[in-house]
Amino acid sequence: AQTVTQSQPEMSVQEAETVTLSCTYDTSESDYYLFWYKQPPSRQMILVIRQEAYKQQNATENRFSVNFQKAAKSFSLKISDSQLGDAAMYFCAVPTGNQFYFGTGTSLTVIP
Amino acid sequence: DTEVTQTPKHLVMGMTNKKSLKCEQHMGHRAMYWYKQKAKKPPELMFVYSYEKLSINESVPSRFSPECPNSSLLNLHLHALQPEDSALYLCASSQDPYSNQPQHFGDGTRLSIL
Repeated sequence: AQTVTQSQPEMSVQEAETVTLSCTYDTSESDYYLFWYKQPPSRQMILVIRQEAYKQQNATENRFSVNFQKAAKSFSLKISDSQLGDAAMYFCAVPTGNQFYFGTGTSLTVIP
Repeated sequence: DTEVTQTPKHLVMGMTNKKSLKCEQHMGHRAMYWYKQKAKKPPELMFVYSYEKLSINESVPSRFSPECPNSSLLNLHLHALQPEDSALYLCASSQDPYSNQPQHFGDGTRLSIL
């Protein structure tokens, strides 16, 4: 089975500052995708960003970017110019076959 | 707006009741999933339907019974649940089960067992 590790159960960031959430994984796949999901208190899991493992370039979506280190099997999420609406649980996920393997999550607090 | 619709949003039931959770998507996705989620924990996979056939059952107790009447609908029938079954139940769908495409989630049903 896959293992996906998020070593930071809780993080906090000042509004407008930058924060990085870490994720490491283990996979035997050679070609795969990686995902970050956000789950605010409203409950819905929202896709934040997706990275294709065979692409060298790190994915970027507005204020969200990825630092993908394939050899190290590391997939961190950087949030720039943090906003109050970024407060949520963040889960990284690695699909294998027809299953998603989720990390344990990081609870992000944004301080006004 | 969520593209995966779950009803009801909240459900309170006794241990002897029978109820059903419903999930609907109209994106033409051929894989649908049920997850159970406890507070501050990641979703735990329960069932996967691929092309309307059950492909994964993660050793879920028989008091949970999934059903996929067609490619757009997914039900979860509940009977004789236990207090530890109180959780958020999430439905998700993806384009197909092996494409590495993202899963799209509904808002979930918050289930409380009295």
